Amino acid sequence: QVQLVQSGVEVKKPGASVKVSCKASGYTFTNYDLTWVRQAPGQGLEWVGWISPDDDDTVYPQKLQGRVTMTADTSTTTGYMELRSLRSDDTAVYYCARVRSEWIIDYWGQGTLVIVSS
Amino acid sequence: EIVMTQSPLSLPVTPGEPASISCRSSRSLLHNNGYNYLYWFLQKPGQSPQLLIFLGSNRASGVPDRFSGSGSGTDFTLKISRVEAEDVGVYYCMQGLQSPWTFGQGTKVEVK
Repeated sequence: QVQLVQSGVEVKKPGASVKVSCKASGYTFTNYDLTWVRQAPGQGLEWVGWISPDDDDTVYPQKLQGRVTMTADTSTTTGYMELRSLRSDDTAVYYCARVRSEWIIDYWGQGTLVIVSS
Repeated sequence: EIVMTQSPLSLPVTPGEPASISCRSSRSLLHNNGYNYLYWFLQKPGQSPQLLIFLGSNRASGVPDRFSGSGSGTDFTLKISRVEAEDVGVYYCMQGLQSPWTFGQGTKVEVK
């Protein structure tokens, strides 16, 4: 069965960086894309970006351009999302999710809480 | 960016009764391939979001047939024919036509 298992809670200071992992199993890793979505406490969903593990193509929202980098390690079937120059408003649960054809997000990870606080 | 607007933002429901959520986009989500790049997700309390409807009107695998999606262009609707207690949570629409993908504000469905 398809599973996306994410790394644990992170607590960072403003200005630091965080790297969240997403271990995929139960499917052929390079046949599907990965996307990342975040949710600030008590708020709605915000798209963070997309990566194709097959060719490492990425798309990021302009709002996060220059601060976010997504990578994929095909040898370990793991996706990563790194966010730099953290601010307090980056505090959120970060979800990875699988994307199939026509941009259908069909499986989600359990989420990783990132807390940015001095 | 495409702005997604849901209504209502809060929806008290009675089990067994129907419910409906509206989602409007600031530009048409109808691609020239005939697909509407509109999706519906449900986030149950304490859980990750789950896919309900894709490409406007297609139920995801395992989703009960009491859920249906309709609409085209800029106006879309999610309907629950008979609400059950397990349907409580926050419902989100999302557009995948254009980057950045954007979500509606969410509609909180709770049992009266």
